[in-house]
Amino acid sequence: AQSVSQHNHHVILSEAASLELGCNYSYGGTVNLFWYVQYPGQHLQLLLKYFSGDPLVKGIKGFEAEFIKSKFSFNLRKPSVQWSDTAEYFCAVNAGSSASKIIFGSGTRLSIRP
Amino acid sequence: EPEVTQTPSHQVTQMGQEVILRCVPISNHLYFYWYRQILGQKVEFLVSFYNNEISEKSEIFDDQFSVERPDGSNFTLKIRSTKLEDSAMYFCASSELAGWSSYNEQFFGPGTRLTVL
Repeated sequence: AQSVSQHNHHVILSEAASLELGCNYSYGGTVNLFWYVQYPGQHLQLLLKYFSGDPLVKGIKGFEAEFIKSKFSFNLRKPSVQWSDTAEYFCAVNAGSSASKIIFGSGTRLSIRP
Repeated sequence: EPEVTQTPSHQVTQMGQEVILRCVPISNHLYFYWYRQILGQKVEFLVSFYNNEISEKSEIFDDQFSVERPDGSNFTLKIRSTKLEDSAMYFCASSELAGWSSYNEQFFGPGTRLTVL
């Protein structure tokens, strides 16, 4: 069965620190990969997505992620975080024959100290 | 910017009662989905819906659950006889396309918090 693992449950950083959130998935076939963000009190929003082509994907708000097929990984990065990045981050994969469902990781809560 | 809306934002019900959660997907989208998130757990896929039929459903989506598109704008999730373990946040989503397309981006609504007492 397809699954997504996010290794960091809660990450605490100071402003301007660099961020990397780990994500691994288990599925041997074609995948679409996503990072969603949920700011406090708000709904899930797409940060970035990978469908094909360049494995380094740039998203909104300065985030990027790198798809490494050999490692089944899709880690999220940001060189310098801001207090407004405080949120829950979900890695997700779209897989299967119809690619109609998204499978989410358990989420990483990011807290930024001002 | 168009968005998915859901009503109500919070529903409290007694165990055994029927509930209907409502969603208005983005108007030109053709694919609709329900997900749920039990407190402290992962967001889980429930069902996908296209052309007035269920495309795919998870093991969670048993006979107690049903979905419907009663008119051209609403998409509903019905739970016939609620159980305590149905307490969760329920998210509706919609997408323009599905499958292996770069337009297969699911847009999520704000969720309905269901509390079963």
